[in-house]
Amino acid sequence: AQKVTQAQTEISVVEKEDVTLDCVYETRDTTYYLFWYKQPPSGELVFLIRRNSFDEQNEISGRYSWNFQKSTSSFNFTITASQVVDSAVYFCALSEAGTSYDKVIFGPGTSLSVIP
Amino acid sequence: GAVVSQHPSWVICKSGTSVKIECRSLDFQATTMFWYRQFPKQSLMLMATSNEGSKATYEQGVEKDKFLINHASLTLSTLTVTSAHPEDSSFYICSAPQGLAGWGEQFFGPGTRLTVL
Repeated sequence: AQKVTQAQTEISVVEKEDVTLDCVYETRDTTYYLFWYKQPPSGELVFLIRRNSFDEQNEISGRYSWNFQKSTSSFNFTITASQVVDSAVYFCALSEAGTSYDKVIFGPGTSLSVIP
Repeated sequence: GAVVSQHPSWVICKSGTSVKIECRSLDFQATTMFWYRQFPKQSLMLMATSNEGSKATYEQGVEKDKFLINHASLTLSTLTVTSAHPEDSSFYICSAPQGLAGWGEQFFGPGTRLTVL
């Protein structure tokens, strides 16, 4: 069965600090997708990234970067120079070919608070 | 990107009544849609897969008679919470994949906040 673990329940950082959100996943499939979503207080999910299992290249998008390591089944997310607007709950998620790529299973989420 | 809407965005109802929530893909067709439920300070839990023209597939532990799903067209899926009780109060989110079945990018609706008094 697929599973996503986000060990950090809550994180608080001071503005401008860097912060890394951890994500560890379990799957029996060799083909799968990993995602990160942001959920601000409004509740609407904001898509951040989708990565397929064959692409282990790290990705950078502005202040966001992602480190995908299949060897440790991890897909960590780093925010550089955090800002108050980054305060939200962040979800790591997984979909696998065995059940259909469209079925997305979410991790428990990490609540990030950025303090001015 | 593609847009998925939900209606209503929030609803308050009395215990024992039924509530219908709509999920629409506005600029694309979706043969499959997904319904999630999110309790406060918890993650999104997949409730069911809505299939256009056929029965929905429910996740383990979800009462199919309580959460009725109808996917009558390629752009609309509805979730009806029947005989709602306070414990059904939650944030309900739908999603729809765009693109080839099984390979699509997921688009999420803005969610519907249900409060049962």
